[in-house]
Amino acid sequence: TQLLEQSPQFLSIQEGENLTVYCNSSSVFSSLQWYRQEPGEGPVLLVTVVTGGEVKKLKRLTFQFGDARKDSSLHITAAQPGDTGLYLCAGAGSAGGTSYGKLTFGQGTILTVHP
Amino acid sequence: DSGVTQTPKHLITATGQRVTLRCSPRSGDLSVYWYQQSLDQGLQFLIHYYNGEERAKGNILERFSAQQFPDLHSELNLSSLELGDSALYFCASSVTRLSPLHFGNGTRLTVT
Repeated sequence: TQLLEQSPQFLSIQEGENLTVYCNSSSVFSSLQWYRQEPGEGPVLLVTVVTGGEVKKLKRLTFQFGDARKDSSLHITAAQPGDTGLYLCAGAGSAGGTSYGKLTFGQGTILTVHP
Repeated sequence: DSGVTQTPKHLITATGQRVTLRCSPRSGDLSVYWYQQSLDQGLQFLIHYYNGEERAKGNILERFSAQQFPDLHSELNLSSLELGDSALYFCASSVTRLSPLHFGNGTRLTVT
C-alpha cells in the first residue's frame, strides 16, 4: 500500500510570511500532483510534477519533486489571505506509470493566512 | 466551474438505506473516477470507469457499486448504509487515464 505523509497538518501564518508544505512517501510515484480545496468545493489541480528533481513555479508557489520521486514540497512566498485553503498532495501510480486518476492523497494541510 | 456536475449536493438518510449518487462528467471526458473524503481517512480512491468499462478499483466496499452509462454519466450506489459511510463523495473526470482530473463539488452524505 502506498502512503503519502503530508506535513504540517495545520499552518496558521500572517500575511507576507513564507511557508513550506511537505509530502513524503516510502514509495516511488510516477507523478505527483498538488491540489487546493476550498470549503464546499472539489479539489482543484495546481500542478503535476513528473520528473525527479523537477521544479515548477506558479506565481508565488514553487513545487519540487524529489530526485527519487518519493517526496515533494510546496513553497509559498509572501502568503496572502487568498491562499487560505486545504492543500493536498497526491501521488499517481508506482514507477512505470499508470493512470493519473488513481491517486493516493496525503491527509492535507489546512493553511490559514491572517491579514 | 470544473464542468463536472454532481447531484444531489446533500443527502441525509438512515442506516440500512440505499442511495444513488450521480455524476455528469465534463463534455468529452471518457474517464470517471469516484473518491470518498472523510475526516479520518482523507480522500480515498474508490473506482474508475473508462467509456463504460470498469478499469480500476480502490478501497471500495462490497456494499458500494458503480456504473458508467452509454452517455458517460456515472452513478455510485451505496447500500446497507452505516454511520461510518457519512462522508463527501467526489466524482472526477478526465479525457484519458493520463489526463489531469477535474473534480465536481461533491455530494455530502449524512447517515443518521
